[in-house]
Amino acid sequence: DVKVTQSSRYLVKRTGEKVFLECVQDMDHENMFWYRQDPGLGLRLIYFSYDVKMKEKGDIPEGYSVSREKKERFSLILESASTNQTSMYLCASSLSGYGTEAFFGQGTRLTVV
Amino acid sequence: GENVEQHPSTLSVQEGDSAVIKCTYSDSASNYFPWYKQELGKGPQLIIDIRSNVGEKKDQRIAVTLNKTAKHFSLHITETQPEDSAVYFCAADTGNQFYFGTGTSLTVIP
Repeated sequence: DVKVTQSSRYLVKRTGEKVFLECVQDMDHENMFWYRQDPGLGLRLIYFSYDVKMKEKGDIPEGYSVSREKKERFSLILESASTNQTSMYLCASSLSGYGTEAFFGQGTRLTVV
Repeated sequence: GENVEQHPSTLSVQEGDSAVIKCTYSDSASNYFPWYKQELGKGPQLIIDIRSNVGEKKDQRIAVTLNKTAKHFSLHITETQPEDSAVYFCAADTGNQFYFGTGTSLTVIP
């Protein structure tokens, strides 16, 4: 069964902390994505990666960075967490090519206090 | 870039009735249109998709229609059941990334 696993379901961090959100997929997918989900705004793309060590900015990359050292793992980094980064974060993966299904993890609800 | 608009934002229907969710997109290069269902506490899951060379696709109680000329596509759920209650997202794939609608919260009233 296809699986995208995010390391934490819930996280509470303090303002200014460096935060790591980890995502692992077991489907040998080339593409991996990080989205942020907020009420009324849908899913907004933060960063995506087409291959190991490759990364591309999405629509809202400010305040975030990513790392993809291995094909199966894609990490989202909040360099200095702020309260406006309190949100649900969703990781997804897909095969390369046009028109392939994206598989999502269960989400990490991050609260920055 | 692509802009996907989704309506309505909330929808309540009686069990057994039909539900329709509509989306429009702006980029004519988009060729793949998936629909995702997100249940409480879970990540979105694909329920049906359609490609630009097809006008309609059906899977049991769920159907999707696509009008490429008008740049809109719709999700139709017939004979709704309480377990259909969830948030539904439409998306358009430009070949570079997915662009999602803002979601529709569907409530099916028993």
